[in-house]
Amino acid sequence: EIVMTQSPATLSVSPGERATLSCRASQSININLAWYQQKPGQAPRLLIYSASTRATGIPARFSGSGSGTEFTLTISSLQSEDFAVYYCQQYDNWPPKVFGQGTKVEIK
Amino acid sequence: QVQLQESGPGLVKPSQTLSLTCTVSGGSVSSDSYFWSWIRQPAGKGLEWIGRVYISGSTNYNPSLKSRVTISLDTPKNQFSLKLSSVTAADTAVYYCARMLVGVFDPWGQGALVTVSS
Repeated sequence: EIVMTQSPATLSVSPGERATLSCRASQSININLAWYQQKPGQAPRLLIYSASTRATGIPARFSGSGSGTEFTLTISSLQSEDFAVYYCQQYDNWPPKVFGQGTKVEIK
Repeated sequence: QVQLQESGPGLVKPSQTLSLTCTVSGGSVSSDSYFWSWIRQPAGKGLEWIGRVYISGSTNYNPSLKSRVTISLDTPKNQFSLKLSSVTAADTAVYYCARMLVGVFDPWGQGALVTVSS
């Protein structure tokens, strides 16, 4: 069973700054990784799939990278609407536990 | 664009069966391109995949819930449903339905809070 570990648990960032979120898989998942954003009281929203492909309508300030076991989500210049919880999800190996435990991006 | 909407009782008694329906608009559950999934999230916690169904009727479930879960399609109504039996307080959560393509969940419904309590 693949375990997804996200770090840090909480990231404090000032608006306009860069945020870097990490996701590690316990074994190689190739590039079969997605990132989701969840705001309070809302459903998760797909941001990135195939490790680095932005979903439709996602701003260019969101970028994903990595392969194998190490992945990164970068938000180049944080906007007020970007403060949320971010989850990574592997889909290389089924059945899941697919999701990481989440990283909360909060205002510094 | 495709939209999903969960519906069902918000309160279920312990030991009873939780039943939720997801209505799909702007797309068809009969499409052979997608799976249709349920995911849940206890308050303040992370996301747990419950299971998925395909147009063929094929299903896959999270092993931790497999003995209690049934997911099915209702193609005439363009819906799919979740049944979770023998519920306990640990099953209290927001339940989301989502379309799944190659393992990726998009879009999601807005979520339905189900509380298990007597």
